[in-house]
Amino acid sequence: AQKVTQAQTEISVVEKEDVTLDCVYETRDTTYYLFWYKQPPSGELVFLIRRNSFDEQNEISGRYSWNFQKSTSSFNFTITASQVVDSAVYFCALSEAYAGNNRKLIWGLGTSLAVNP
Amino acid sequence: DGGITQSPKYLFRKEGQNVTLSCEQNLNHDAMYWYRQDPGQGLRLIYYSQIVNDFQKGDIAEGYSVSREKKESFPLTVTSAQKNPTAFYLCASSRGVENQPQHFGDGTRLSIL
Repeated sequence: AQKVTQAQTEISVVEKEDVTLDCVYETRDTTYYLFWYKQPPSGELVFLIRRNSFDEQNEISGRYSWNFQKSTSSFNFTITASQVVDSAVYFCALSEAYAGNNRKLIWGLGTSLAVNP
Repeated sequence: DGGITQSPKYLFRKEGQNVTLSCEQNLNHDAMYWYRQDPGQGLRLIYYSQIVNDFQKGDIAEGYSVSREKKESFPLTVTSAQKNPTAFYLCASSRGVENQPQHFGDGTRLSIL
């Protein structure tokens, strides 16, 4: 069955520390997409990245970086030099085939990150 | 600015009452979604719609209803049949159902009086 596991429920770091959020997925699809979203205290989910199953290159965007490894079915997210504004719940999600060609997202339970000054 | 507007931000429902949550988008997206979020849980899909006048049930559609009469609007009605409606409801839209990033509104927090 398709599944997304975010084993870290809560993480607390001090500002300027690096932090990695883990995401492990299960799927029988050969073609799939992985996503990361951020949910700040205001509640709105903010899209961060989408990665397809054929592209294993790591991606960097400012202080954010993502490590996709098909061999371990993982799509981990690292924040370098964390800041208080990074405090949020972070969700990893997997798209799967659903009702034919329509794909829905399978969500992890999220990791709550607290960055303390 | 383009975006998704959910209203109201907070909503209270009495027992046996239907309530409707509003979701409007001006992103010209074809697909729209409703999710429910409970504490400590991920997002669960209630309903989604790919085009006007068409919608499909998600994983937890019982006790909910939707309509899609306009591309911009996808209201969700929480009926009295939903026995545990207290939750945070998020509306989202995307350019299409297949693999496109979803963009979210600010959410509506529904509570029972």
